[in-house]
Amino acid sequence: EAGVAQSPRYKIIEKRQSVAFWCNPISGHATLYWYQQILGQGPKLLIQFQNNGVVDDSQLPKDRFSAERLKGVDSTLKIQPAKLEDSAVYLCASSPRGKLAKNIQYFGAGTRLSVL
Amino acid sequence: AQTVTQSQPEMSVQEAETVTLSCTYDTSENNYYLFWYKQPPSRQMILVIRQEAYKQQNATENRFSVNFQKAAKSFSLKISDSQLGDTAMYFCAFFAFGNEKLTFGTGTRLTIIP
Repeated sequence: EAGVAQSPRYKIIEKRQSVAFWCNPISGHATLYWYQQILGQGPKLLIQFQNNGVVDDSQLPKDRFSAERLKGVDSTLKIQPAKLEDSAVYLCASSPRGKLAKNIQYFGAGTRLSVL
Repeated sequence: AQTVTQSQPEMSVQEAETVTLSCTYDTSENNYYLFWYKQPPSRQMILVIRQEAYKQQNATENRFSVNFQKAAKSFSLKISDSQLGDTAMYFCAFFAFGNEKLTFGTGTRLTIIP
């Protein structure tokens, strides 16, 4: 079974530029999550999708961050314009639904963003 | 809101020894799950072990076991016969059924010394 795929692995941009991250969850997983992990901290949830609908985006800085999950599969997270404090690893995770899911989230390898 | 505290920022242990990582949490929920995730330098978070709060029996997965003390809100991870491949960041995480969010601690960097 293929895991959660993310691209790119690394991205370096200057402040005020825009950037986009892509995530392909495990096939059949209905729930998709985007996390921000700042150096030295644990991941913090940015947004959660159930199929192609948003379940929770209360921690997403909506003035600069946006995310979409078209057709309930792939997802894109965008930052526009980027700030220095956005430097972090952006992790995507997915989870199946139902009793067998056991509320386990499966993570991708993340995208490390450096804003200069 | 739930909080997860890992009080050991860094730990190191000799290969083949046993090490215990600490985690405490705060919640008003009665039904929840607890997880330990491992994050090696490759950055991918890997599930190590999972504990359901309603189960009194401590979870075990091969060399990994937990000591779950619900009343004390404590959830420690024991790694037996440690191996070089265990070197990683370890995160304790809490999943509440109320809001279905996974809340992570700040992590413990574990180094296994050859």
